[in-house]
Amino acid sequence: AQTVTQSQPEMSVQEAETVTLSCTYDTSESNYYLFWYKQPPSRQMILVIRQEAYKQQNATENRFSVNFQKAAKSFSLKISDSQLGDTAMYFCAFTNTGNQFYFGTGTSLTVIP
Amino acid sequence: DVKVTQSSRYLVKRTGEKVFLECVQDMDHENMFWYRQDPGLGLRLIYFSYDVKMKEKGDIPEGYSVSREKKERFSLILESASTNQTSMYLCASSSGPRALYSNQPQHFGDGTRLSIL
Repeated sequence: AQTVTQSQPEMSVQEAETVTLSCTYDTSESNYYLFWYKQPPSRQMILVIRQEAYKQQNATENRFSVNFQKAAKSFSLKISDSQLGDTAMYFCAFTNTGNQFYFGTGTSLTVIP
Repeated sequence: DVKVTQSSRYLVKRTGEKVFLECVQDMDHENMFWYRQDPGLGLRLIYFSYDVKMKEKGDIPEGYSVSREKKERFSLILESASTNQTSMYLCASSSGPRALYSNQPQHFGDGTRLSIL
């Protein structure tokens, strides 16, 4: 079975600072995809960044980057220069064949002015 | 942009009622999903469908059924609503044939906050 674990239910960061959200997963497969989704308060869930397991290079999207450690099955999200609009629930997700997604329990991030 | 539309943002029903939650996507996606989201539990998959008239159980299918008569529409049905089904329900869709590795993300609707009294 595939599982995704987010061990930090809540986090906070000062505006303009950097924060890292952790995610670990468990799978026996060698190829898969990992995602971070963001769900702002009372708003739609949207994709932040994705990583393909066979690519060693860490994905980057503007202020968002990941630290993908395949051997450790770790997939953390780093947010640089945090902005008030980054306040949201963040979900780590995993998918393999069959297009079924597995989500973590989420990390609630608050950016403090 | 992909648009996933859920028919209701808020819904209040009574125990024992049959409840229908509708979801429509406009990007001709093969795959559609229904999740429920509860605090501390994240998103849990109820059912998903990878083609018209095809459905597969997710992690928590009990008390639910689904219907996919057209590619763009995926309905979630609570056969006899109970108070423990009070939750936020999220519909999502994604492209890509089922049998292949897919890096296509899921696109979500706004969610339906369902209260069962």
